[in-house]
Amino acid sequence: DAGVTQSPTHLIKTRGQQVTLRCSPKSGHDTVSWYQQALGQGPQFIFQYYEEEERQRGNFPDRFSGHQFPNYSSELNVNALLLGDSALYLCASSSGTGSYEQYFGPGTRLTVT
Amino acid sequence: GESVGLHLPTLSVQEGDNSIINCAYSNSASDYFIWYKQESGKGPQFIIDIRSNMDKRQGQRVTVLLNKTVKHLSLQIAATQPGDSAVYFCAEALTGGFKTIFGAGTRLFVKA
Repeated sequence: DAGVTQSPTHLIKTRGQQVTLRCSPKSGHDTVSWYQQALGQGPQFIFQYYEEEERQRGNFPDRFSGHQFPNYSSELNVNALLLGDSALYLCASSSGTGSYEQYFGPGTRLTVT
Repeated sequence: GESVGLHLPTLSVQEGDNSIINCAYSNSASDYFIWYKQESGKGPQFIIDIRSNMDKRQGQRVTVLLNKTVKHLSLQIAATQPGDSAVYFCAEALTGGFKTIFGAGTRLFVKA
């Protein structure tokens, strides 16, 4: 049973560019959450997708957007990249039926130069 | 505002000793608390959780204690092993909400 997978593993972008990160949830899970983890800090909630809609959003600008597909996989898009967007981006999946237990992927390390 | 913080950023223990990692939270409306372990190069891994209607929950070698009066959460690891070396995060969530708020983390070093 595959766990949560994310791609790519690492990514280097230039300021002002746009980036798309991808996530496949654990088998049987239908909910995907995205987190940003700066070096030496805890993950910060970006948003959560369920039934292809954004269900809840953290304190992130509109430059951060997402999508969930019918197969429950998800994408995180970040536009107009800033140096401060450099971080580890984590995807977590869970069951939408009220379970708080989340399974995290290994993350995508984004470096903005 | 909502926040979850940790008292100690680093903790060093001898192999075989018990470890205690502490956490303070500020949102009294939170009703679900989780401890995660994050090893280098990996995503956070669920360790144990506890709901606000409980004050103690035990797992395999781990115990979580919740004191709602002082808004304090702790993780106890029995007979700490080198494989326990990692960063530990406490997190909280609200009923009906799916946003999980993480603290800054405590790095645990286990000395052989």
